[in-house]
Amino acid sequence: GNSVTQMEGPVTLSEEAFLTINCTYTATGYPSLFWYVQYPGEGLQLLLKATKADDKGSNKGFEATYRKETTSFHLEKGSVQVSDSAVYFCALLRTGKLIFGQGTTLQVKP
Amino acid sequence: GAGVSQSPSNKVTEKGKDVELRCDPISGHTALYWYRQSLGQGLEFLIYFQGNSAPDKSGLPSDRFSAERTGGSVSTLTIQRTQQEDSAVYLCASSFLTSGGRGDTQYFGPGTRLTVL
Repeated sequence: GNSVTQMEGPVTLSEEAFLTINCTYTATGYPSLFWYVQYPGEGLQLLLKATKADDKGSNKGFEATYRKETTSFHLEKGSVQVSDSAVYFCALLRTGKLIFGQGTTLQVKP
Repeated sequence: GAGVSQSPSNKVTEKGKDVELRCDPISGHTALYWYRQSLGQGLEFLIYFQGNSAPDKSGLPSDRFSAERTGGSVSTLTIQRTQQEDSAVYLCASSFLTSGGRGDTQYFGPGTRLTVL
């Protein structure tokens, strides 16, 4: 079946540290892949996406590359800010529906 | 409007009552989706509309849950005889459809927080 696995959180970093949140998936075919972010008290916002192998999605300094050979879509940012504190969800799109990972909480301390 | 809107933002109800949750998608989006976010289950797909029809209802947890969409726009999710385990945030999303009929990027509303006492 289709599934997404994310690294468990919470992840706690100091401001300006490098961020990696791991995401791997299992899917039939070649799904589109997404990262969504949920800031405290807010709804889900699209952060970035990639629709085919080797595509790199990027937004707000975050990047993720669609790796078919390792079935991964790891999220990275070179220098995190306090305002990046949120819950991050990796997801794949198959037959019209999104299948989400369990979410990773990121806390950035000044 | 500019984004997906949902109402009410919060709903508190008593066990056994029926509730209706409303979603207004982004103008021009032909696909509409309902998801549920709860502490124990994470983010779960419930149902998907393409126009006014629902090709995929596989995520509805029981026959107490139903949804409809009229005029290719507004959708209502109805939960009958609510139970405490129905307490969750109900999220709606909308998207364009690709030429192959599959969904494109989904944009989410702020959600309705349902509490069943």
